[in-house]
Amino acid sequence: EAGVTQFPSHSVIEKGQTVTLRCDPISGHDNLYWYRRVMGKEIKFLLHFVKESKQDESGMPNNRFLAERTGGTYSTLKVQPAELEDSGVYFCASSLTRDGYTFGSGTRLTVV
Amino acid sequence: GQQVMQIPQYQHVQEGEDFTTYCNSSTTLSNIQWYKQRPGGHPVFLIQLVKSGEVKKQKRLTFQFGEAKKNSSLHITATQTTDVGTYFCAGRDNAGGTSYGKLTFGQGTILTVHP
Repeated sequence: EAGVTQFPSHSVIEKGQTVTLRCDPISGHDNLYWYRRVMGKEIKFLLHFVKESKQDESGMPNNRFLAERTGGTYSTLKVQPAELEDSGVYFCASSLTRDGYTFGSGTRLTVV
Repeated sequence: GQQVMQIPQYQHVQEGEDFTTYCNSSTTLSNIQWYKQRPGGHPVFLIQLVKSGEVKKQKRLTFQFGEAKKNSSLHITATQTTDVGTYFCAGRDNAGGTSYGKLTFGQGTILTVHP
């Protein structure tokens, strides 16, 4: 089966611009998660979708971040306007059962 | 909120030596998972532990879950160069009321193996 796909793999934007990250989970996985790893530190939770509904968005840093999951399939994470501290690797993961996540390859975001 | 501490941050070993990383949670966990991230890669699921005192083995890797379900360890016997990477523990509590809720990751242990 296809894995979790993330696009783009890299993005370099200027402060104040907008960036949209996309995640295609494994087909049939109801659970979709966004995480972020900044400067080699721990992987921090952003939010969790169950199908198209936001189950938990307690990790979203502020209202510059907006996540959607259209029809319970792919998800987008938009950062508007981007700030320097938003730089990092954004991981998407999906899961079906109570077992582990399958992570995507991540999007490396650099805000300059 | 829940915190998961992992030590050591770095570990350098000679090939053939053993390696252990430890994980401690500020709260009781419903389960704990372990992931491995190769340099430049993404985290890959290794295993999940659910029961108090549980021990699981995968070839040279041994995973333990503490009796109080607040700590865990990963031990690698006779390391190989293919073991290089960052090992993360990730704990899940039941505060969110769902078994599929968020994982809280430790900071990771970066393992380097010298041939």
